[in-house]
Amino acid sequence: EAGVVQSPRYKIIEKKQPVAFWCNPISGHNTLYWYRQNLGQGPELLIRYENEEAVDDSQLPKDRFSAERLKGVDSTLKIQPAELGDSAVYLCASSSALRTDTQYFGPGTRLTVL
Amino acid sequence: GDSVTQMEGPVTLSEEAFLTINCTYTATGYPSLFWYVQYPGEGLQLLLKATKADDKGSNKGFEATYRKETTSFHLEKGSVQVSDSAVYFCALNPAGDYKLSFGAGTTVTVRA
Repeated sequence: EAGVVQSPRYKIIEKKQPVAFWCNPISGHNTLYWYRQNLGQGPELLIRYENEEAVDDSQLPKDRFSAERLKGVDSTLKIQPAELGDSAVYLCASSSALRTDTQYFGPGTRLTVL
Repeated sequence: GDSVTQMEGPVTLSEEAFLTINCTYTATGYPSLFWYVQYPGEGLQLLLKATKADDKGSNKGFEATYRKETTSFHLEKGSVQVSDSAVYFCALNPAGDYKLSFGAGTTVTVRA
């Protein structure tokens, strides 16, 4: 069974530029999460989807961040415009309806904003 | 709010040494507790979990016991290998919720 897939793995951009990250969850997993992991810290939840619906986006900085999961499968997280403080690893995770307490993580996208 | 505090690193050990990483939590009710591991260049992997008091999670020689009385979930391994070098994260999932709260992570380096 394939795991959570993310792309790109690395991205370097200049500040004020837009950037997008893509995630494909484990097949059949209806819950999808986006996390941000700053250097030397644990991941922090940005947004959680149940199928197409964003059920928890309370930690998403909505002035510059947006996310979508149009068909309830893969998802895109966007930042526009990026700031220096957005440099971090962006992690996607998914879980199934049968085992909601166990999340499976992708390898992450390491974003560097110059 | 619910939170996790884990031992600061970095931790450097010799092969076959005993490893303990302390983790304590603050939560209402009975959260589920987890240890995740992040190997260099890879994503987080679930190492083990426990969902109720006195449960012991185990995997790959690692163990952790859910201690309600001390609000702890310490990770232990009796004999570490170089391949255990990684960052270890303690996390909790509040009862009835899905939001994982992670500790800051502990970097473990095992020398041959």
